[in-house]
Amino acid sequence: AQRVTQPEKLLSVFKGAPVELKCNYSYSGSPELFWYVQYSRQRLQLLLRHISRESIKGFTADLNKGETSFHLKKPFAQEEDSAMYYCALLETSGSRLTFGEGTQLTVNP
Amino acid sequence: EAGVTQSPTHLIKTRGQQATLRCSPISGHTSVYWYQQALGLGLQFLLWYDEGEERNRGNFPPRFSGRQFPNYSSELNVNALELEDSALYLCASTRLTRRRETQYFGPGTRLLVL
Repeated sequence: AQRVTQPEKLLSVFKGAPVELKCNYSYSGSPELFWYVQYSRQRLQLLLRHISRESIKGFTADLNKGETSFHLKKPFAQEEDSAMYYCALLETSGSRLTFGEGTQLTVNP
Repeated sequence: EAGVTQSPTHLIKTRGQQATLRCSPISGHTSVYWYQQALGLGLQFLLWYDEGEERNRGNFPPRFSGRQFPNYSSELNVNALELEDSALYLCASTRLTRRRETQYFGPGTRLLVL
């Protein structure tokens, strides 16, 4: 069965510092991975997906099949990046998303 | 473009009652997904409806059921409510599941079972 692990429940950095949110997965098929973000009192929204290879709000994520990881990175964190971040895996059949437990990122001034 | 909408925003029920939650997908989207976000359990897949049919369900008991209407909106019904059903229920929609499209989420319905 597929599984997504986000080892850090809480992550705190200072403004301007680099940030990395870790995500590891286990899946027997070809993974399709996403990062979703939930800002305070807002709905869950897509941040990026690995196949689009886009950089959104300065965030990037590279799929490493050897290490089964999809870590989210940003070189210079901003206070507005403070939010809950979820890594998610989409099954090959295109149905369910399996989410990690989420990482609450706090960027301090 | 209007996003996914859900109603009601909050729902309070007592144990043993039934709850009905509603979801309207983004215009043009035909697939609807339901997820439960319970405290301490994270986001868990509940149900997937596509073209009016239930296509997949997560590891939840049969008292969690739903349907999708011809206009692609959906209802989630939870019968014989239990205290542990208290959670945020999220609905998401996609355009074409065969292409593994991105799921777009609604704001959720917060269900409290007393």
